[in-house]
Amino acid sequence: SAVISQKPSRDICQRGTSLTIQCQVDSQVTMMFWYRQQPGQSLTLIATANQGSEATYESGFVIDKFPISRPNLTFSTLTVSNMSPEDSSIYLCSVVSLNTEAFFGQGTRLTVV
Amino acid sequence: KQEVTQIPAALSVPEGENLVLNCSFTDSAIYNLQWFRQDPGKGLTSLLLIQSSQREQTSGRLNASLDKSSGRSTLYIAASQPGDSATYLCAARDSGGSNYKLTFGKGTLLTVNP
Repeated sequence: SAVISQKPSRDICQRGTSLTIQCQVDSQVTMMFWYRQQPGQSLTLIATANQGSEATYESGFVIDKFPISRPNLTFSTLTVSNMSPEDSSIYLCSVVSLNTEAFFGQGTRLTVV
Repeated sequence: KQEVTQIPAALSVPEGENLVLNCSFTDSAIYNLQWFRQDPGKGLTSLLLIQSSQREQTSGRLNASLDKSSGRSTLYIAASQPGDSATYLCAARDSGGSNYKLTFGKGTLLTVNP
């Protein structure tokens, strides 16, 4: 299994500002994944972060809004830029083990006011 | 495009009852299926992973089954306890080129009453 530390655990932000979420894994992994969970909804994949290359974004998500960094094999950040109330969600990072079992961080609960 | 549906959306049971949560998926060509637990406002905890070649997996009071041909999985919880109260999510992993991609259902909110 993998232990994933994500921070902050929650934040309340003003519209128009940006928030950077950090994700630290206790082992080296090739791919890290960022998900969004809007209120009352299930998880939606935002992007896949590979070390040494640009992140791959899913349909409906763009780099200008959700820039991602992946400086090494144990760490990644997701920035939510120019926030609006519609960005209020839980953001989660995830990794996959060798047998493709997915593990998640404890999530960042973002409220934009 | 894979779609995952969970029924029921919410379930309330008395403590001690055995219960079944249902998960269906539209594309049977999955790599595996995983069940998670999510407490309010928190991240996901992996409960069980069933590979496409397996029919079931067990962990303690939990048993998950997989029927690929019918596109269904069930999570059986025996002797439910108030601490089992949470949202249970299932997710199917594609077996295509993007075999890392998980598609989630919306979850079943379980309440176990003392």
